[in-house]
Amino acid sequence: DGGITQSPKYLFRKEGQNVTLSCEQNLNHDAMYWYRQDPGQGLRLIYYSQIVNDFQKGDIAEGYSVSREKKESFPLTVTSAQKNPTAFYLCASSKTDRGAGNTEAFFGQGTRLTVV
Amino acid sequence: AQSVTQLGSHVSVSEGALVLLRCNYSSSVPPYLFWYVQYPNQGLQLLLKYTTGATLVKGINGFEAEFKKSETSFHLTKPSAHMSDAAEYFCAVSDNRDDKIIFGKGTRLHILP
Repeated sequence: DGGITQSPKYLFRKEGQNVTLSCEQNLNHDAMYWYRQDPGQGLRLIYYSQIVNDFQKGDIAEGYSVSREKKESFPLTVTSAQKNPTAFYLCASSKTDRGAGNTEAFFGQGTRLTVV
Repeated sequence: AQSVTQLGSHVSVSEGALVLLRCNYSSSVPPYLFWYVQYPNQGLQLLLKYTTGATLVKGINGFEAEFKKSETSFHLTKPSAHMSDAAEYFCAVSDNRDDKIIFGKGTRLHILP
């Protein structure tokens, strides 16, 4: 079955460490996204990528980095510069051919990151 | 810039009663509009979407929403609430200029027995 896989589901990090969250999709989607979810704040866009080897900052990119070397993969690194990294992280993907009505995003199951 | 406002961070309805979750958007071009549902510790699942055409759209689990351009609204309704509808609901907006999808802050729906 096609879908988006995020791993791991739970992740613990010590302060001062970088950590990378994995996101893989086999939907053949061009666009991929990373969102951060905190209680009462909805989903806030961290980074998004419309094509391989290109990505744009979202609203809260500081302290995060991404790469898009393959169409299927869009890993997110939470760096030590991110002051409050404990959150639920969601990856999503979508088609970019909006003319066909393929406008929605498909989500992974999320990774819960906790700083200890 | 696009934005989404969901009125009410928590809504409680009795089982069998009407569900109404409110969403207003801001967009300078014709929008694409979405409602998603999220159960605890899971990703988001698409309930329904509006792209073009009929302004009343039907989704899964008996939900529907109406696009009202004059009111810049896309409210979500269900005639009769079920206990399994208890979840968090997100309204989102996008358009054909780029691939950004902007979400509201969410409304948690509580179903009272």
